[in-house]
Amino acid sequence: SQKIEQNSEALNIQEGKTATLTCNYTNYSPAYLQWYRQDPGRGPVFLLLIRENEKEKRKERLKVTFDTTLKQSLFHITASQPADSATYLCAPGNYGGSQGNLIFGKGTKLSVKP
Amino acid sequence: DTEVTQTPKHLVMGMTNKKSLKCEQHMGHRAMYWYKQKAKKPPELMFVYSYEKLSINESVPSRFSPECPNSSLLNLHLHALQPEDSALYLCASSRPGQTTGELFFGEGSRLTVL
Repeated sequence: SQKIEQNSEALNIQEGKTATLTCNYTNYSPAYLQWYRQDPGRGPVFLLLIRENEKEKRKERLKVTFDTTLKQSLFHITASQPADSATYLCAPGNYGGSQGNLIFGKGTKLSVKP
Repeated sequence: DTEVTQTPKHLVMGMTNKKSLKCEQHMGHRAMYWYKQKAKKPPELMFVYSYEKLSINESVPSRFSPECPNSSLLNLHLHALQPEDSALYLCASSRPGQTTGELFFGEGSRLTVL
């Protein structure tokens, strides 16, 4: 069955450092991968999307890579700030119809210490 | 602020009660979704409506009954729930015809079943 793994349940880093979160998938060939941020008790917020033919995508301090050979996506936050503390969810998906085919990973809880 | 509005934010109900969760969006999105999220777990898809028609039902128990009265509104009717149904219920929407469209989530309705 399809499996999405986000490498660690929690990641603690110091302010100013780069946070790197990992999303691995097995038994699955997604055409794209989305990343969301979720704060406690709130709905996820879309951050970035990367397609299978794109190696890297950037948005401000965020960078996402997608390696279909390794079946892995990396999500980087550079110059991290305490306000970046949240849970980050990866969600691979395929084309066609509505987004009911998105599968969410369990998420990685990032804590950025001042 | 999210453009998907969910009410109520919090709901406490007994196992014999009948209640409803409501979701509204005015972004012209024609796909709307209900997700259930337990603590420290990813959102789990329950239902998808596409152009006001139910397109996906992920084998959800009949005590959950979705309704899409028009393109802006989505309801989830609750009846005879169990304590294990306590969770954060998230509504989301996505743009029509966008194959990789991101999901726009509401803030969620926190449901407690006593």
